[in-house]
This record gives sequence, C-alpha cells and structure tokens, in this order.
Amino acid sequence: NAGVTQTPKFRVLKTGQSMTLLCAQDMNHEYMYWYRQDPGMGLRLIHYSVGEGTTAKGEVPDGYNVSRLKKQNFLLGLESAAPSQTSVYFCASSFGTGRYGATEAFFGQGTRLTVV
Amino acid sequence: LAKTTQPISMDSYEGQEVNITCSHNNIATNDYITWYQQFPSQGPRFIIQGYKTKVTNEVASLFIPADRKSSTLSLPRVSLSDTAVYYCLVGDGTGRRALTFGSGTRLQVQP
Repeated sequence: NAGVTQTPKFRVLKTGQSMTLLCAQDMNHEYMYWYRQDPGMGLRLIHYSVGEGTTAKGEVPDGYNVSRLKKQNFLLGLESAAPSQTSVYFCASSFGTGRYGATEAFFGQGTRLTVV
Repeated sequence: LAKTTQPISMDSYEGQEVNITCSHNNIATNDYITWYQQFPSQGPRFIIQGYKTKVTNEVASLFIPADRKSSTLSLPRVSLSDTAVYYCLVGDGTGRRALTFGSGTRLQVQP
C-alpha cells in the first residue's frame, strides 16, 4: 500500500518555465489537497478537491492551477514559474467525512522545488 | 474559517509531560479539532482528533473544555523523537472541507 505518492521529489526550474506536479493516492480518498511550505513556516493551502472533477481555491492559489480528472490523481501546475514559488510542496488526501467531519489526512513525502 | 492560536515554541526535557494549548474562540458548532505532527523534511502526520471532553489514543490525549474555545494536546513522557512541529486544526464549519494549517508549535525536547 503506497499511500500518497508525489512525483517528482526534487526539481529545479528556470524562471518562466512550466511544470506539473503529480499526486497519486491508492486509498480511494475523495478529498485531495496541495500545500506549500516555505522554510520555517507552516503549510499553506494552495488548492483542494472534494471529488473527481471538482477543484477549489485555498489560501494561496495565485500562480497555480490544478486538475482532478481521475479520483486517484491530483495535478498541480505552474504555468510560469517564479522564484517566489521556490518551496516544498505537499500533497494530502482524506476520505473527507466521518464522525467528526474531515477524517485523517495522509501526506506525501513532498516535492522540493527551486526556481532560479 | 475558524482561526487557531498556538504558542510559537516550547522546550521540554525527556520524560516530562508536555501540554500544548490551542485557542479557537470562533469554533463553530459542527467543527472538530485535529492535531498533526510534522518532523523536518516530512509531511504532517495525524495524531488525534476530537469534538468535546477527552480523547486518548496510544500517542496522546486531547482535552477539550465544555465551551470548546480551546483544546490541549498532552504528550506523556516525551522523548527526543517527539521533537517536531505540532499543528492544531479546526474543522471548516462552512462545510467546504478546506484543511488549513496555522504556524504550529515547535517543540524541542532536550536530554
């Protein structure tokens, strides 16, 4: 059981380049999330999805796009990378509902992105 | 969204009990309280979740008073491996299910 897998683990981009980060989960979770974490800071929500074919903006969505064409995959795109997008990106997934509301979220190992 | 306030950092010694308090004055009736732990270079890991009173599992206890405006994560007899950042999250009462993290509490356990 792989859980949540992020691809790639590391990437260096030049300013203006584009790329897509892939998040895959094998737990049949409905909800998926993308976060960024800058050094010494907490996680900030970029976009999230509550089901296949749906996406919603989080706290810091500007400069990013997402797609959830398949339930198990959540893609994060950077159309024109900027140095300010240098960060560690985490993907997470959860069932989304339970006795107390949102259930336990499982996180990937992170993608370290550097934009030069 | 309900906002949480936690201490920025805490220090402890091995074998001590650590209590981290989170303030969430605007918590909604349907909101739950969840705590996550994050080690350096790793994604957060779920620790415990509750709605009211006390919840205990093999890792920690969560104390929630009747007014639910705060909660306390209790870690019994911490070890060096408990050095991490701890995040308190409050469920989104609007139902949008956006899982948002605050700045967290950086716990440093010393020998």
